[in-house]
Amino acid sequence: QKEVEQDPGPLSVPEGAIVSLNCTYSNSAFQYFMWYRQYSRKGPELLMYTYSSGNKEDGRFTAQVDKSSKYISLFIRDSQPSDSATYLCAMRTYGNNRLAFGKGNQVVVIP
Amino acid sequence: DTEVTQTPKHLVMGMTNKKSLKCEQHMGHRAMYWYKQKAKKPPELMFVYSYEKLSINESVPSRFSPECPNSSLLNLHLHALQPEDSALYLCASSPTIGIGQVDGYTFGSGTRLTVV
Repeated sequence: QKEVEQDPGPLSVPEGAIVSLNCTYSNSAFQYFMWYRQYSRKGPELLMYTYSSGNKEDGRFTAQVDKSSKYISLFIRDSQPSDSATYLCAMRTYGNNRLAFGKGNQVVVIP
Repeated sequence: DTEVTQTPKHLVMGMTNKKSLKCEQHMGHRAMYWYKQKAKKPPELMFVYSYEKLSINESVPSRFSPECPNSSLLNLHLHALQPEDSALYLCASSPTIGIGQVDGYTFGSGTRLTVV
């Protein structure tokens, strides 16, 4: 079983829809959770960072962490064509700099 | 300055060439990383430097040689690469490892390397 599971299937949504992405993980020692956005041929850009269960909101983006279920989510409200990118979840344990990445979700927002 | 700058953006090299990738950050981060990313795959960790010392080497072949001359610079020296080493090479930085760290990692835009 991989440490981090993220269904890599491409996701196409119409403009204005809510995009819902999620990752599950097996290592209960993971304490820090990140979502990165990566445009084609660019480096990953940090979108959200959280270290506690619950919700964290930043503009149109909401990150949700459920440590009891080992499940994290990213929601994008009012999606825009500029949100078309690959979204990677990543996480690490306390005191360890090694990030565990999910496979990434390619999201296409259709105008 | 909240950026990690990588040069060059693109590099084509032959299998007998020697080249270097460069990475620079001025955020005061004391941990710096090299990642390799193949198309449609997540980044794979290669090396971690902490306070200018190599702390993690993910069993990377010796044809890749990292160097951290100071707290702002990170190099990756390349020699006798193979075509399968063609990939996007990403540099990243973060605040100190573990304790007190509240930020994620900042990635550069990468160097797209093609080995011919």
